[in-house]
Parts: sequence; structure tokens; C-alpha cells
Amino acid sequence: AQKVTQAQTEISVVEKEDVTLDCVYETRDTTYYLFWYKQPPSGELVFLIRRNSFDEQNEISGRYSWNFQKSTSSFNFTITASQVVDSAVYFCALSEAIGANSKLTFGKGITLSVRP
Amino acid sequence: GAGVSQSPSNKVTEKGKDVELRCDPISGHTALYWYRQSLGQGLEFLIYFQGNSAPDKSGLPSDRFSAERTGGSVSTLTIQRTQQEDSAVYLCASSPDRVSPEQFFGPGTRLTVL
Repeated sequence: AQKVTQAQTEISVVEKEDVTLDCVYETRDTTYYLFWYKQPPSGELVFLIRRNSFDEQNEISGRYSWNFQKSTSSFNFTITASQVVDSAVYFCALSEAIGANSKLTFGKGITLSVRP
Repeated sequence: GAGVSQSPSNKVTEKGKDVELRCDPISGHTALYWYRQSLGQGLEFLIYFQGNSAPDKSGLPSDRFSAERTGGSVSTLTIQRTQQEDSAVYLCASSPDRVSPEQFFGPGTRLTVL
């Protein structure tokens, strides 16, 4: 069975601080995908990134960066110089890469509040 | 281009009534998913459609829930004899194919069962 754990439930930072959102996953699959989604107050889930299990290269996109470590089954997300617009709930998710159903298994989400 | 759309955005119903929720996926996307988001359970998978294959219904919580996808495009999720525990936001997502597995979500339908 697949499982995603986001141990942090709520994080509050002051604008311009860096913040890291943790994600730990469990799966018996050897090939899988990992995702991060953002859910702002408007409610719509916004896709941020997908990482393939065979590609451990870290990725940076503007103020966002992701650290994938297969050895520790973690896929952490860092926001550099946070802004008020980053306030949202962030979900980490996992899906199998081979098989009939690529359903997403989500973590419980982390509520990030960025104060001005 | 247009994203995933869902209707209605809000639905209030009385316990015991049937409801239908609609999803229009992104044009050309072959896969369509339904999820449910509630305070207690988080985000849960309900059902998955891929092209003309039989749907994967393994996430449906009871036989009161059903879904269909007509012509490989629009999908309808039906909940019969609604119960208060069915109150949640129902989210639809679509993805292009297995090569590009990212799922793009609609705005959801907030269902309240009184």
C-alpha cells in the first residue's frame, strides 16, 4: 500500500523567510511518481511539480526548489524568500508509474501562512 | 486553453435525495479521476476512467456512489440517497496520458447534505 506522510500540519513564517515543507512516502513500487500541489484559499488544486522515481536530480524553479532523496523516501519542498501569496495548503502526493491506475495518494497537507 | 470545469460549484441537498455532479475534463485528456476532500479524511480517490477501458471503482465508499463517462469526455458522479457524511468537496481531475501523468484539477463541487 502507498502512504504519504506530511508530519507538519501548520507552519507560520514572516515574509522573506525561507521555509521547507517535508514529505515522506512509502511504496512497494520500484517505479513511481511524486507530486506537489498547492491549494490556495480559492480552493483549486494547482499542480507544481512531478518527479519520476528514477530521476533524483533536484529541481529549482524560481523561488521553489525540491529535494528528492530515494534513500530516505523523502521529497521536500523549499520556498525561498516567502511571500504572502505563498499562503496556501500544500499537498505531497504519490502515484504508481506502471499499472492501470495512476490515482494519487495524498498526504494530509501542510497549511502555510506567510505574514507580512 | 480551458481547464477542467465542474458544475454546480455548490450543491445543498436534503438527506435522502439523489445528486448529480458534472465534470468536463480538458479536451484531449484520456484519463479522468474523481476525488473527495473532507476535513476528516483529507483527499481520497473515488473512481478512475481511462479511455474506453472499464473504470476503476475501487475508491467508491458505498454502492450509493456511481459514475459514468460518456463519449470519453464528460463525466457524471451520482450519489443516491445522500447522507450527511457525504458532505465534502468533490474534485475532478484529468490527465493527458501515462507519459504525462500530471493531473489537473477542477474547482470542485461543494456538497452539503442537510
